[in-house]
Amino acid sequence: GAVVSQHPSRVICKSGTSVKIECRSLDFQATTMFWYRQFPKQSLMLMATSNEGSKATYEQGVEKDKFLINHASLTLSTLTVTSAHPEDSSFYICSAKFAGYNGYTFGSGTRLTVV
Amino acid sequence: RKEVEQDPGPFNVPEGATVAFNCTYSNSASQSFFWYRQDCRKEPKLLMSVYSSGNEDGRFTAQLNRASQYISLLIRDSKLSDSATYLCVVTRGNAGNMLTFGGGTRLMVKP
Repeated sequence: GAVVSQHPSRVICKSGTSVKIECRSLDFQATTMFWYRQFPKQSLMLMATSNEGSKATYEQGVEKDKFLINHASLTLSTLTVTSAHPEDSSFYICSAKFAGYNGYTFGSGTRLTVV
Repeated sequence: RKEVEQDPGPFNVPEGATVAFNCTYSNSASQSFFWYRQDCRKEPKLLMSVYSSGNEDGRFTAQLNRASQYISLLIRDSKLSDSATYLCVVTRGNAGNMLTFGGGTRLMVKP
């Protein structure tokens, strides 16, 4: 089946530093990757949609200069949290729709803690 | 009003019980509907898609009522391993590929 590999699974960083999260589609080509954020006891909220070879589309209220998305190939999309602050601490998850599969495949998530 | 609303629970039920979850969505243009399961600190995993005709997968039955914009999930003969948060998920209207998640309903199955 379609697998999305997400790394790292957990990261702790200092305030002001940047963190890059990678999502790779292992056995299919993901032309579109969705990036979500989930705060404790809340649901997944879509942050942005990345399309291979073009600029990402950000949801209202999500700062595009803070959350940099790159989707340079059909198998790799990255999210970089720049100048991280404690309020950016969250669970970040990527997802892709696999052609022919009635559903969406999710990465295993990245738990970011900013101290 | 939230786009997808669920009772957060928790639903505490004994093993073997039957439990039902409900969900309402606000966008009448939504085309696809799903139930996902999310375990603590893990990614969501597809439980089943939901169709107007209703569909069943083992102990799980899902129903969709488009007129009422209402989705349900029935779990029969609950197992301890069913303990999780169940997410009602719909596609975002005319933006077919984008998903909107409900807040989830937490189920705890006790021995």
